[in-house]
Amino acid sequence: DTAVSQTPKYLVTQMGNDKSIKCEQNLGHDTMYWYKQDSKKFLKIMFSYNNKELIINETVPNRFSPKSPDKAHLNLHINSLELGDSAVYFCASSHRGQEAKNIQYFGAGTRLSVL
Amino acid sequence: DQQVKQNSPSLSVQEGRISILNCDYTNSMFDYFLWYKKYPAEGPTFLISISSIKDKNEDGRFTVFLNKSAKHLSLHIVPSQPGDSAVYFCAASAPYNTDKLIFGTGTRLQVFP
Repeated sequence: DTAVSQTPKYLVTQMGNDKSIKCEQNLGHDTMYWYKQDSKKFLKIMFSYNNKELIINETVPNRFSPKSPDKAHLNLHINSLELGDSAVYFCASSHRGQEAKNIQYFGAGTRLSVL
Repeated sequence: DQQVKQNSPSLSVQEGRISILNCDYTNSMFDYFLWYKKYPAEGPTFLISISSIKDKNEDGRFTVFLNKSAKHLSLHIVPSQPGDSAVYFCAASAPYNTDKLIFGTGTRLQVFP
């Protein structure tokens, strides 16, 4: 009964391929995020959606395209994968409360290895 | 341009003693701070937070202290337990963009018997 679940947990693929990572949350939250944790363990936000609307779009190559079919899902599609895309990708969700203080809840991560 | 810094990559503490994890930030606009704990092969788990209107927040064995003038916060764990062994991340957000958490690079805490 995982709150924020990502699939797959591991993804090994060749350079140039296109791949997708799926994320679902059952917390009833209205905001979802994608983070990238690189080899230096630096956790950095990539995108955020609130009620299916893109609200954060950091400096990310346009090969990365998030898609939010509904509030409970935020998928990440990556085109033309490159070696530098190898990282752990985390999905997170939160609820924008009255105090607008943001506690984000994370999935277990997807370890992407590009060969 | 790393706005949140955890300068100690690792910390080793004996069980029962106090663990003190430190975090510094550079953006004076940050007004909300969080600590997350992360075990291997799992996602970060929220631990405790503090708003800039406070200088201390306590939750059981965990206490976070905020020193706004020094742009410094710390997490105290008392007493430390072996199950506390994990990587701890501090994070911060600003009122003009509450959805964007800026994370530090983490401190690996090891609690030994």
